[in-house]
Amino acid sequence: GQSLEQPSEVTAVEGAIVQINCTYQTSGFYGLSWYQQHDGGAPTFLSYNALDGLEETGRFSSFLSRSDSYGYLLLQELQMKDSASYFCAVRRGGYQKVTFGTGTKLQVIP
Amino acid sequence: DVKVTQSSRYLVKRTGEKVFLECVQDMDHENMFWYRQDPGLGLRLIYFSYDVKMKEKGDIPEGYSVSREKKERFSLILESASTNQTSMYLCATRTGGLYEQYFGPGTRLTVT
Repeated sequence: GQSLEQPSEVTAVEGAIVQINCTYQTSGFYGLSWYQQHDGGAPTFLSYNALDGLEETGRFSSFLSRSDSYGYLLLQELQMKDSASYFCAVRRGGYQKVTFGTGTKLQVIP
Repeated sequence: DVKVTQSSRYLVKRTGEKVFLECVQDMDHENMFWYRQDPGLGLRLIYFSYDVKMKEKGDIPEGYSVSREKKERFSLILESASTNQTSMYLCATRTGGLYEQYFGPGTRLTVT
């Protein structure tokens, strides 16, 4: 089967850096995505890693290590508006299917 | 911008009723998905469709069916609603060959 593990909650200070980890177990791995969801809102796409290494998009970066079945999302210069839930998701065999983790609720405090 | 709309934001139905949730997208995407989201469980894939009249089961298809008669429209059907189907239902689309999914605003369904 497929499973993803990520911390349920993380608290960080405004202006700081926070890392949200995701470990996965799946067959036919294609890539790891990250989504952000504010309370009451729809998930929105942040990043995708198909190959090992770091992808940077502004204040957000995402890392993947396929050999360790591990990835993380790095948020820099935290802002209050970054308070949201963050989901990792694996794209797996069969091309179309995506399995989501249970989400990490990030609280940014002043 | 991709626009994904869902027929209702909030819905209350009785046990045993047949429920239709509708999703419409305006970007000509081939792939459409239905997820349910529950606290502590994340998003779970119910069904997806990769073309008109084509569908495949996701991870939790029991108690649900789907219909895709037109490319832009993907319906989720609860044949006989039960209280354990009370949830947030999210529709998503994706164009072929890419990985980013675009989500609708969700329908919060309560079955009493």
